[in-house]
Amino acid sequence: GAGVSQSPSNKVTEKGKDVELRCDPISGHTALYWYRQRLGQGLEFLIYFQGNSAPDKSGLPSDRFSAERTGESVSTLTIQRTQQEDSAVYLCASSSDRADEKLFFGSGTQLSVL
Amino acid sequence: GESVGLHLPTLSVQEGDNSIINCAYSNSASDYFIWYKQESGKGPQFIIDIRSNMDKRQGQRVTVLLNKTVKHLSLQIAATQPGDSAVYFCAENKDFGNEKLTFGTGTRLTIIP
Repeated sequence: GAGVSQSPSNKVTEKGKDVELRCDPISGHTALYWYRQRLGQGLEFLIYFQGNSAPDKSGLPSDRFSAERTGESVSTLTIQRTQQEDSAVYLCASSSDRADEKLFFGSGTQLSVL
Repeated sequence: GESVGLHLPTLSVQEGDNSIINCAYSNSASDYFIWYKQESGKGPQFIIDIRSNMDKRQGQRVTVLLNKTVKHLSLQIAATQPGDSAVYFCAENKDFGNEKLTFGTGTRLTIIP
């Protein structure tokens, strides 16, 4: 596709359930990022994939959060045993490995934990 | 701790006027700064960036100013249009070579027709 695609666009779940959020980056982009955006706040870095290197997981808030990426394509962010404080918009972004290449964001997944 | 913050959470500007959105940062190690625009229901969109070895950079209708002495960043939008209404975020990068950014809270800009 022409841009970063995320699915679902909205997800409502019950506390304690697991959720999976999907990101399709721009074709050919080697770097992929996940960010979280709580209501009325800025974006918080979660995790970063670059090519075949080990991901930078330094932003994951707890061990309930994990992410995988298949090669240089689709990524899945998984949240286990969801809590109400996990409610937020989860944004995915990708970029190429060229110097000064900018991030291109998807529209995000709005997660609501009831 | 290190953070990026904004002085004003909301700003209303008459259409056609110029607007200035301000941002304060506290990490002197940051060497790259970016402004993003986020419209309702969409992801952030890159507007303009600036490196720490510059103090001004201009784009189309936008100018970013960097004052490293007081750790201040501003975004100027000239001749504002209704389509400029959005939330604007500043972000900083301490790790050259990736886009692991620290974002501010955001300023909501409303253009009054």
